[in-house]
Amino acid sequence: AQSVTQLDSQVPVFEEAPVELRCNYSSSVSVYLFWYVQYPNQGLQLLLKYLSGSTLVKGINGFEAEFNKSQTSFHLRKPSVHISDTAEYFCAVSESAGSARQLTFGSGTQLTVLP
Amino acid sequence: NAGVTQTPKFQVLKTGQSMTLQCAQDMNHNSMYWYRQDPGMGLRLIYYSASEGTTDKGEVPNGYNVSRLNKREFSLRLESAAPSQTSVYFCASSYDRTGTEAFFGQGTRLTVV
Repeated sequence: AQSVTQLDSQVPVFEEAPVELRCNYSSSVSVYLFWYVQYPNQGLQLLLKYLSGSTLVKGINGFEAEFNKSQTSFHLRKPSVHISDTAEYFCAVSESAGSARQLTFGSGTQLTVLP
Repeated sequence: NAGVTQTPKFQVLKTGQSMTLQCAQDMNHNSMYWYRQDPGMGLRLIYYSASEGTTDKGEVPNGYNVSRLNKREFSLRLESAAPSQTSVYFCASSYDRTGTEAFFGQGTRLTVV
């Protein structure tokens, strides 16, 4: 069985500051990792995913994440946030032999960008 | 492009009432899913359908039934709603291949009073 822990439920940050949203996972097998974003009153949309290869993954809207196998982490970063980045962010994991139905989601991190 | 479309967007039910949440996708995906989202708990899988004609239980199936009507449509039914089923429900779809992500609808906010 796999699990995902998002260490911060709320992250306030000022506009143009850098941000890191933390995600740790637990699994006995190789995994795929995902970050989704949910804007208010909308569904989730994919920010980025790690399947294999380079451990630094770049996504949409200037976000990137780094897969660290030894620390079982997949932290999301952005060097300079905008007001429009205010949203809830979900980390998710699936076994690498599995499809989307094996996705396990973290509890989410609410990012609030302050003016 | 419509993607994944859910209806209704909002619903209030009385305890014991029944209702069906509708979902349709136009991306020719094999797999479809129903999740519920509760504060502080992320998304939890209720049921999924790997292909037309098949359905399987997810993490929290009790109190729900599903129907995969055809490749496009996947409905979720609450036979006798309970206050514990107050939640936001998301339908999603994906190709049934490893490493593929799920595409989500905009959600149905359900309140059971």
